[in-house]
Amino acid sequence: DVKVTQSSRYLVKRTGEKVFLECVQDMDHENMFWYRQDPGLGLRLIYFSYDVKMKEKGDIPEGYSVSREKKERFSLILESASTNQTSMYLCATRGQGWFYEQYFGPGTRLTVT
Amino acid sequence: LAKTTQPISMDSYEGQEVNITCSHNNIATNDYITWYQQFPSQGPRFIIQGYKTKVTNEVASLFIPADRKSSTLSLPRVSLSDTAVYYCLVGVAYSGAGSYQLTFGKGTKLSVIP
Repeated sequence: DVKVTQSSRYLVKRTGEKVFLECVQDMDHENMFWYRQDPGLGLRLIYFSYDVKMKEKGDIPEGYSVSREKKERFSLILESASTNQTSMYLCATRGQGWFYEQYFGPGTRLTVT
Repeated sequence: LAKTTQPISMDSYEGQEVNITCSHNNIATNDYITWYQQFPSQGPRFIIQGYKTKVTNEVASLFIPADRKSSTLSLPRVSLSDTAVYYCLVGVAYSGAGSYQLTFGKGTKLSVIP
């Protein structure tokens, strides 16, 4: 069965802290994505990666960075967390080729105080 | 990427058929139409995908007219467990290096009433 796991379901951090959100997949998928979801705004793509060490900016990359050192793991980094980064963060993966669907993790609800 | 427009919310009684329409006026020739479902506190999950005419699976049907400028997701005989947000996405079906095609809008919040 397909599995995308995220390191935490809930996280509380203070303004200015460095925050790491981790995503691990067991499907050998090339593509991995980080989204944030906010009420009224839907899902917005932050960054994605199509291969190890490769990354591309999504629609809202400001204030975030990512790391992909291994195929199965994709990390989202908030260098200096701010209150406007309080959100639900969702990781997703997708295979390479035709008609592959995206598989999402359960999400991490991050609160920055 | 083609922009999609769908209703913000819909209500339906249990047992009824629900149709959610999505408009995508600037859909490109290579674009496919995909629907995802999201329950509270979970990530979205794939429901159905199509290019034209009609597609049916065990969960839903997808109707796409000839001009492909809109599509309708049909959920037969909904139950309370179908209460969720439904997203319509338009993009190419091929996922290759350096490409991403899926833009999630705000979705339609379906509330099923007993």
